[in-house]
Amino acid sequence: EAQVTQNPRYLITVTGKKLTVTCSQNMNHEYMSWYRQDPGLGLRQIYYSMNVEVTDKGDVPEGYKVSRKEKRNFPLILESPSPNQTSLYFCASSLDWRDTQYFGPGTRLTVL
Amino acid sequence: AQSVSQHNHHVILSEAASLELGCNYSYGGTVNLFWYVQYPGQHLQLLLKYFSGDPLVKGIKGFEAEFIKSKFSFNLRKPSVQWSDTAEYFCAVNAPKNSGAGSYQLTFGKGTKLSVIP
Repeated sequence: EAQVTQNPRYLITVTGKKLTVTCSQNMNHEYMSWYRQDPGLGLRQIYYSMNVEVTDKGDVPEGYKVSRKEKRNFPLILESPSPNQTSLYFCASSLDWRDTQYFGPGTRLTVL
Repeated sequence: AQSVSQHNHHVILSEAASLELGCNYSYGGTVNLFWYVQYPGQHLQLLLKYFSGDPLVKGIKGFEAEFIKSKFSFNLRKPSVQWSDTAEYFCAVNAPKNSGAGSYQLTFGKGTKLSVIP
């Protein structure tokens, strides 16, 4: 089944404790992206990757890192999480930058 | 940076009423346009998209949208809503970023919550 998977789905952590949210797609998509969804703010792009060689910042990259060492995986790293990063995070992938993005199920993160 | 505006934060309709959700964007060049839907507790799914050609686009579940280039708009419509259409709807625009050549970004509106009363 074609899908985007994220792990974990739920995470409660404390300020400053490094964490990684994994994202994997099995559709051989070039483009991958991370978004955060907050009430009243919609989805805001954190980082995106056009392909394994090109990664760029989105609208809200502060406090986040990503890597794209292989096509299928695009982990989101929070080196020192803070409470303002409490949010619902979605990973997405698409064939290329123009195409429909397929979203993962989301990761609900709470930083205490 | 480009922006996407959705005019209605929350729309409440009775079943069988007609729906129109507004979406305007700021980028003046060629864009790709999308409407996504998020049902309660679920992830986003594509409703419809516009890349080129006929500006009236038909999507799933009876939804359609019209691209009006002169108005920078891509409004979503449905002639008769059902209770199962209760969801949050997001307009999104894919366009070049201000920074480096070849960089493109998908920008979402803030979303419109639709509540359909049986």
